[in-house]
Amino acid sequence: NAGVTQTPKFQVLKTGQSMTLQCAQDMNHEYMSWYRQDPGMGLRLIHYSVGAGITDQGEVPNGYNVSRSTTEDFPLRLLSAAPSQTSVYFCASRPGQGVSPLHFGNGTRLTVT
Amino acid sequence: AQSVAQPEDQVNVAEGNPLTVKCTYSVSGNPYLFWYVQYPNRGLQFLLKYITGDNLVKGSYGFEAEFNKSQTSFHLKKPSALVSDSALYFCAVRDPGEYGGATNKLIFGTGTLLAVQP
Repeated sequence: NAGVTQTPKFQVLKTGQSMTLQCAQDMNHEYMSWYRQDPGMGLRLIHYSVGAGITDQGEVPNGYNVSRSTTEDFPLRLLSAAPSQTSVYFCASRPGQGVSPLHFGNGTRLTVT
Repeated sequence: AQSVAQPEDQVNVAEGNPLTVKCTYSVSGNPYLFWYVQYPNRGLQFLLKYITGDNLVKGSYGFEAEFNKSQTSFHLKKPSALVSDSALYFCAVRDPGEYGGATNKLIFGTGTLLAVQP
């Protein structure tokens, strides 16, 4: 099993550009989420989904959109990139029931100039 | 609102010595607590969790953590540190929710960099 796969690994955007960070998992996990990691701030939850067709906001949702059309995929969209969105982004998933730990992808390092 | 605090940005320890990485939490009820480790340029990996029961939880790579409800703490420990333990460690809490069922938000601390010197 590949686990949680994130693409691309690196991305450079200019202010105002849009892009989609891809996340796919092959573990049939119902729950998926996006975090951003910034120095001194740890990981902050952006959006999450408890199943196909269901999404909700985390701590820092502004500037990001998500959708969940299938169980496997949970893309994160930046509609108009800003320098404040320079960060490392992690996708994570877990089974929907119980208190299972999250499985993380290896991250996407995004720089907005 | 739930929160997690890791008071030390960095912990330095000599190889072979015991190590402790501190974590305190704040939630409305009984918490679900987790420790994760992050190696350079990688995602987080799960180490251990506390849900209920024995206050001493054992996890991967010889790590353990002690849940202390009165001090609202969940410190990570290892009896003998290895150089390969050097990494970034995150404590996280999942709120049990208003009616005792776990919410879906896992909130992380700011991380503690563990440096083990040979």
